[in-house]
Amino acid sequence: GESVGLHLPTLSVQEGDNSIINCAYSNSASDYFIWYKQESGKGPQFIIDIRSNMDKRQGQRVTVLLNKTVKHLSLQIAATQPGDSAVYFCAERSNDYKLSFGAGTTVTVRA
Amino acid sequence: DVKVTQSSRYLVKRTGEKVFLECVQDMDHENMFWYRQDPGLGLRLIYFSYDVKMKEKGDIPEGYSVSREKKERFSLILESASTNQTSMYLCASTIFRGNNQPQHFGDGTRLSIL
Repeated sequence: GESVGLHLPTLSVQEGDNSIINCAYSNSASDYFIWYKQESGKGPQFIIDIRSNMDKRQGQRVTVLLNKTVKHLSLQIAATQPGDSAVYFCAERSNDYKLSFGAGTTVTVRA
Repeated sequence: DVKVTQSSRYLVKRTGEKVFLECVQDMDHENMFWYRQDPGLGLRLIYFSYDVKMKEKGDIPEGYSVSREKKERFSLILESASTNQTSMYLCASTIFRGNNQPQHFGDGTRLSIL
């Protein structure tokens, strides 16, 4: 079956540096990908999404890159701030309803 | 903004009890979902619904049932709670099937079964 995984379970970043969070997916039929942020005690919050017909999409301080050749997704956060400390999940959609989620990467921002 | 509200943030129940978890969304979304979240396992889909009175099993439906009598409300039912159902439960909704719109989540119910 398909699986979505993140390369590293934890990431420590110096405040002000850029962060890169990686995700590998296995289902080449997936057509839509999402990044979520989950802060302690809260539910996952939508950050940015990308369709499979794109390879890059930018938001406010965030960029998602999609490499379909190697089935890899990444989230880049520019000028990381203390408020960016959270667990980040990637998700892929391979049919009409269902998303498959990775286990998450915990990002800790050092002051 | 989409608002998904779960009725309880924390809940403690006893083994064998029937437990109801409630979820309401305010954006007229057709699709609603129940997940459980456990350390190291990520989010796993229990049940989802794409319309009133419709339901579909997710990846781990055993021990659970659901009810969707109104479009805005989706309930998760633990028929006879067991300790292995201690978990964080997350409800989500999205507008309709097949669209490129993300699921929006509530803040979760942390359920402990003693």
